[in-house]
Amino acid sequence: RKEVEQDPGPFNVPEGATVAFNCTYSNSASQSFFWYRQDCRKEPKLLMSVYSSGNEDGRFTAQLNRASQYISLLIRDSKLSDSATYLCVVRRDDKIIFGKGTRLHILP
Amino acid sequence: GAVVSQHPSRVICKSGTSVKIECRSLDFQATTMFWYRQFPKQSLMLMATSNEGSKATYEQGVEKDKFLINHASLTLSTLTVTSAHPEDSSFYICSANPLGGNTIYFGEGSWLTVV
Repeated sequence: RKEVEQDPGPFNVPEGATVAFNCTYSNSASQSFFWYRQDCRKEPKLLMSVYSSGNEDGRFTAQLNRASQYISLLIRDSKLSDSATYLCVVRRDDKIIFGKGTRLHILP
Repeated sequence: GAVVSQHPSRVICKSGTSVKIECRSLDFQATTMFWYRQFPKQSLMLMATSNEGSKATYEQGVEKDKFLINHASLTLSTLTVTSAHPEDSSFYICSANPLGGNTIYFGEGSWLTVV
């Protein structure tokens, strides 16, 4: 079993809809959690860190569930510009583990 | 915000030659930097962890004699692809995080084409 798992998608979602991604991690010693966004042929960029209390940044909400070992990302009122690959990233000590990413296509 | 710079952004080299890619943290120090490779339409693959002042830690299946990593200072790590072959053509990305910090910042990536 991979240490960080994501549904690869693609998720094809109409503009304006709400979309949610989950990511599961297997090592309970994992300490920090992030969502990154990667556009085609570009480097990943930090979207948001994820905390147990949940955090929101505009249309984006991230949540961490330590008991069930998953993190989630919710995108509300999706825009065409949200089309990208979303990477779940987990940090444990000095090790950084990436999920394979979930591809999102927002349809006009 | 923190910036990680990679150079060159694109390079074309002949088969059998070596190519060096630099990764610099511009406004913070990093004892650890990470090197990844990403083939088209595939996910990031961690190649190695670069440790300032000591040997890099390579992931399983990555040849340390082919991908030479040097982390000579707290702001610079280099990856040298030696005796490059066409199958080494890929997108190489580095990342780093500030000392005592948690967030990982990525360089802009380097496209390597071996002809």
